[in-house]
Amino acid sequence: EAAVTQSPRNKVAVTGGKVTLSCNQTNNHNNMYWYRQDTGHGLRLIHYSYGAGSTEKGDIPDGYKASRPSQENFSLILELATPSQTSVYFCASGGTPNYAEQFFGPGTRLTVL
Amino acid sequence: QQKVQQSPESLTVSEGAMASLNCTFSDGTSDNFRWYRQHSGKGLEVLVSIFSDGEKEEGRFTAHLNRASLHVSLHIREPQPSDSAVYLCAMSRVGDNSKLIWGLGTSLVVNP
Repeated sequence: EAAVTQSPRNKVAVTGGKVTLSCNQTNNHNNMYWYRQDTGHGLRLIHYSYGAGSTEKGDIPDGYKASRPSQENFSLILELATPSQTSVYFCASGGTPNYAEQFFGPGTRLTVL
Repeated sequence: QQKVQQSPESLTVSEGAMASLNCTFSDGTSDNFRWYRQHSGKGLEVLVSIFSDGEKEEGRFTAHLNRASLHVSLHIREPQPSDSAVYLCAMSRVGDNSKLIWGLGTSLVVNP
């Protein structure tokens, strides 16, 4: 039974449109993360959260917003999508005793035309 | 700035032969290191985590950490075609073990 789920799994958006990627975890972890994965860049951290109501900027936050309305849910929002945001996005959760042990969802493939 | 480099970029082995993957890092003061596996089109699964110098075994996967030489390796015993995947090395950031620094991965192909 998957502990971190993402929706949608695939998304095609138009330039300038709004995109929301959703993540749900049943691990009861405090921390949640959004990454993007691109060839040649590996995994890059966009936003993360320490708990409900908290969002923090990662290494590449520009053009992205995040929302953590509850312990279980963490969303990534692209208000004005651009082709450069075409990528595979992964959500992960991490909790005690070792926050660095992160558990990943299956990923969302986003194409911005 | 902490960095992680993986080698080789790609590796092909025969089923049953040992597969060895390497990761070097720029700062030996990180708290912990881990290896993940990613099958094509899938998410990442953690294989083994290691916190102290020496060896840590999880089934057919063994990690070796040597902080003095800034090196962590992964050895896969009796690899199978289903082990064909990208293997990623990650280390926690110094002073903040809630965030990870990632290598670019090694693509492993195991031939029957």
